[in-house]
Amino acid sequence: KNQVEQSPQSLIILEGKNCTLQCNYTVSPFSNLRWYKQDTGRGPVSLTIMTFSENTKSNGRYTATLDADTKQSSLHITASQLSDSASYICVVSAQAAGNKLTFGGGTRVLVKP
Amino acid sequence: GAGVSQSPSNKVTEKGKDVELRCDPISGHTALYWYRQSLGQGLEFLIYFQGNSAPDKSGLPSDRFSAERTGGSVSTLTIQRTQQEDSAVYLCASSSLAGGGRHEQFFGPGTRLTVL
Repeated sequence: KNQVEQSPQSLIILEGKNCTLQCNYTVSPFSNLRWYKQDTGRGPVSLTIMTFSENTKSNGRYTATLDADTKQSSLHITASQLSDSASYICVVSAQAAGNKLTFGGGTRVLVKP
Repeated sequence: GAGVSQSPSNKVTEKGKDVELRCDPISGHTALYWYRQSLGQGLEFLIYFQGNSAPDKSGLPSDRFSAERTGGSVSTLTIQRTQQEDSAVYLCASSSLAGGGRHEQFFGPGTRLTVL
């Protein structure tokens, strides 16, 4: 069964610090991997999208990495800000799946001043 | 332009009642998706519409759930004889193209359904 596992489930960091979120997946055949940010009470918003040929993708202070061989991805947040407090969701799309996405359970990040 | 909109934003209903949730996708988007997000859980795929093709209903949890998309635009998710376990946030998303690839899905704000 295609699955996406994320760790940690939650973390607390101080404003200005960096953090890294992990994502492991078993979705196959793999098409692309996305990281979404979901603020409380809002729908998810896309941060990055990577295909199997891409190893890293940045969006401002967010940098995603992908190792398609080990089926692992990470999302690194640099110089965290209070507005980074949200859930970060790793999402994987399988080939020929009609763009149907498999979602991880998310990592809830809380940035404290 | 306007994003994906959903209504109502919140819905409280009694067990056994039917509910209808509405999604207005981004204009011109041919693909529309419904997801469910239970408390503390990841998003769960429910149903997918692409153009005039038959919808992919593989994620619907029971025959109490149904959805339709009229005129290739607005979609309605109907839950009949609601149960307490149906309580969740129901999210709608749309994209301009389907079939894999990078076609980004844009999400609406969701409808929070509470079944008492």
